[in-house]
Amino acid sequence: GQQLNQSPQSMFIQEGEDVSMNCTSSSIFNTWLWYKQEPGEGPVLLIALYKAGELTSNGRLTAQFGITRKDSFLNISASIPSDVGIYFCAGQGDDKIIFGKGTRLHILP
Amino acid sequence: GAVVSQHPSRVICKSGTSVKIECRSLDFQATTMFWYRQFPKQSLMLMATSNEGSKATYEQGVEKDKFLINHASLTLSTLTVTSAHPEDSSFYICSARRIYGYTFGSGTRLTVV
Repeated sequence: GQQLNQSPQSMFIQEGEDVSMNCTSSSIFNTWLWYKQEPGEGPVLLIALYKAGELTSNGRLTAQFGITRKDSFLNISASIPSDVGIYFCAGQGDDKIIFGKGTRLHILP
Repeated sequence: GAVVSQHPSRVICKSGTSVKIECRSLDFQATTMFWYRQFPKQSLMLMATSNEGSKATYEQGVEKDKFLINHASLTLSTLTVTSAHPEDSSFYICSARRIYGYTFGSGTRLTVV
């Protein structure tokens, strides 16, 4: 079946640092999505990517849809304490979304 | 707009009993809804796709007789965990598909004791 490999699994960074995480897939997706999940909540959409090669920003967040449609990255610039959480990549194909395993972001004061 | 309400947010039930979780799209119609399960520190795993007016489609390894899904209207899908056991304790999340994208509910924490 379709699988997404997301890395890193967790990150410990200093406030103010930039963050980068990525996802690769064994198959092609039509749409790549990046979500953030806070404890006890459902995931919230951060960025959606619809075209291969597309680079999209949402405030301090930037994500790109790989040319091969099998990968994507998410960057967070100048991290702040409220960026703490779990970030999931997700691929959309065949009318359903498959999630990566998540990147748990910790920010040190 | 595009709000999905999930109820209850938390439920504790005794082993052997059944629990129903509701997923409602509040301001849009959703012909398709999805049910996910998330164990602690794990990813969201798709359990089934709920289609209004027809049978749900279950992912491999998910028991359809244990996890009953009913999508009786364009704004409501329900997931019933039957004969719950402690290993069914998990975070259950629904999602509704819109014209542009998907909206997730806030999840239901199920604890079976």
